[in-house]
Amino acid sequence: DTGVSQDPRHKITKRGQNVTFRCDPISEHNRLYWYRQTLGQGPEFLTYFQNEAQLEKSRLLSDRFSAERPKGSFSTLEIQRTEQGDSAMYLCASSRSKDYEQYFGPGTRLTVT
Amino acid sequence: AQSVTQLDSQVPVFEEAPVELRCNYSSSVSVYLFWYVQYPNQGLQLLLKYLSGSTLVESINGFEAEFNKSQTSFHLRKPSVHISDTAEYFCAVSDTGTASKLTFGTGTRLQVTL
Repeated sequence: DTGVSQDPRHKITKRGQNVTFRCDPISEHNRLYWYRQTLGQGPEFLTYFQNEAQLEKSRLLSDRFSAERPKGSFSTLEIQRTEQGDSAMYLCASSRSKDYEQYFGPGTRLTVT
Repeated sequence: AQSVTQLDSQVPVFEEAPVELRCNYSSSVSVYLFWYVQYPNQGLQLLLKYLSGSTLVESINGFEAEFNKSQTSFHLRKPSVHISDTAEYFCAVSDTGTASKLTFGTGTRLQVTL
């Protein structure tokens, strides 16, 4: 069990650019979650997958955001045409569907200048 | 929909003193309850959880929390804190039906000093 990993750990981009983040869950976990955390706030749910199916999306996830989990293993979160308001820590978590504990990765800190 | 309120954004406490971090929730359905801890420069870690059964749950490092359904609370307590307990603590809930997304509070920064 190597834990949940995220890449990159930090990303600085200019407004209007596209960015993509990757999350590798714990290998036997079939659920994968994305959250966003801004300064002074708790994590906010964005979306989650069970295997390759995206089962729920938050209203926070605008049309500029897209997430995929093509083979039910790793997942990517893409933000198109980034805005300064997208600056945040993006967290990934995974769990077994019958186990309620979510294991979190270290996060990707996005700064949009 | 659920919501979680952590009224105390910061709690300063001296080492070896007791501490209570408050958490109240609102939900129209039954929920599971969690406390997560985030140490400086580290990811979120599960501290303890209430799923069912005994309303008092304990962690391996001396924290405990009690689920109070009538008060809709899940306060976290420790009788004697250590410097190493300095961290951000987040209370979270998920509904028992889907057991999927977590709804977090805004967090409480516990600062332990000598």
